[in-house]
Amino acid sequence: GEDVEQSLFLSVREGDSSVINCTYTDSSSTYLYWYKQEPGAGLQLLTYIFSNMDMKQDQRLTVLLNKKDKHLSLRIADTQTGDSAIYFCAESIESSYKLIFGSGTRLLVRP
Amino acid sequence: GAVVSQHPSWVICKSGTSVKIECRSLDFQATTMFWYRQFPKQSLMLMATSNEGSKATYEQGVEKDKFLINHASLTLSTLTVTSAHPEDSSFYICSARAGDEQFFGPGTRLTVL
Repeated sequence: GEDVEQSLFLSVREGDSSVINCTYTDSSSTYLYWYKQEPGAGLQLLTYIFSNMDMKQDQRLTVLLNKKDKHLSLRIADTQTGDSAIYFCAESIESSYKLIFGSGTRLLVRP
Repeated sequence: GAVVSQHPSWVICKSGTSVKIECRSLDFQATTMFWYRQFPKQSLMLMATSNEGSKATYEQGVEKDKFLINHASLTLSTLTVTSAHPEDSSFYICSARAGDEQFFGPGTRLTVL
C-alpha cells in the first residue's frame, strides 16, 4: 500500500537553510505536496510539484523530486522563527485525488 | 485564494450525543471534499471522500454508520459523529478540491466527555 515517511524533528538556527525530507512508495503519484500546520490550526498549502518535474522554486521554498528514489525534499532558505511549525508532505493517488500524508516534521527555528 | 471554513471550530459534548461539523468552500465550488482525522502529534488520516450528490466513499476501518457524511451542495459537506464516545475525541479537518489542489479548513476540535 501507499506509505509516506518523514523524519520527525528538525532544529535550525534563524537565517540558516532548512531541508525537510520525505520518501514515498507509490510510483503512480501524480502530485506531491508540502503543507504547513501551526499549533491548533488547519493545513496551509505551501507548494506542490507535478511528478514529471524534478525541481520547483517559489520564493524561499525549493522543492526537489527524485522520482527514481521516490524522494522529495523541501528547502526553506533564510529560515525565520515564523517558519516554526509542522511540515507534512503528501502524495496524491492517481485519479482519486486522495492524499496520503507523511507523519510530519516538526521544525524548530532557534533565534 | 480558495478559502475553506469549518464550523464549529471546537465542540465539547457528552458521551452518547451526536455532533455535526460543517465544511464550506467559500469562494469556489467543490465537487469533492475530504474528511480527515488527526490525533495529537500524529498525521492526518483520511476518513472518507465526499462527492456532491452521491454517497461518500469511506476508507477501510471507518464506520459509515457512525460518521455520517452529507454533501448536499457544491459548497457544503457535513460530518455527523453519531453516539459520540471519548475515543472519538480528535481534530477533524476537511478539505475541498479545486482542480489539482486541495484546500484545507481550519479544523474542528471535538472533545467527548
